[in-house]
Amino acid sequence: GQQVMQIPQYQHVQEGEDFTTYCNSSTTLSNIQWYKQRPGGHPVFLIQLVKSGEVKKQKRLTFQFGEAKKNSSLHITATQTTDVGTYFCAGAPGNQFYFGTGTSLTVIP
Amino acid sequence: NAGVTQTPKFQVLKTGQSMTLQCAQDMNHNSMYWYRQDPGMGLRLIYYSASEGTTDKGEVPNGYNVSRLNKREFSLRLESAAPSQTSVYFCASSESYGSGTEAFFGQGTRLTVV
Repeated sequence: GQQVMQIPQYQHVQEGEDFTTYCNSSTTLSNIQWYKQRPGGHPVFLIQLVKSGEVKKQKRLTFQFGEAKKNSSLHITATQTTDVGTYFCAGAPGNQFYFGTGTSLTVIP
Repeated sequence: NAGVTQTPKFQVLKTGQSMTLQCAQDMNHNSMYWYRQDPGMGLRLIYYSASEGTTDKGEVPNGYNVSRLNKREFSLRLESAAPSQTSVYFCASSESYGSGTEAFFGQGTRLTVV
């Protein structure tokens, strides 16, 4: 079964609106990574979070790691058409590294 | 610096045919991975090689075999292709196994089994 769950599966937003995707694990994660995959492309690493409660920002993107290290979120402020793609979280609840199911973001101009 | 190179980019197979997907990385990474991506399923790990000379099963290994030919190359073989193996296949590499290091992905192989 899926070790790392991600919601929502799809999200459509108007350009300029905010967007958030959530990643959850039933077990503690040693760290969590986020990747972006453009349509027709391959996943590209965005960031890694390691510490409990950690928050990191990359321009309009804010990444959070939960206090219990079982969940994480990615928030995009004021989406742009260049944000289109699928966002994946990835973590290791055990000794294997699992990707979440991904959230596909569509930005309507 | 090419990163991770996969061949072929596209392939159509008939049920029962065999083929090998090739992957090579030029970043001197120790660990390499094969994933398949299906709609709504995310990326699922087929096999991985934590270091040269070792290979291990991932989440969905049935119907596949792998070979870590050397530190650079990691191939995936389908011995008898089935329609359920229609998918996009990605090879990836990282400095070390599992979490903690960034994974670099190849461009993917789009495989259709008819």
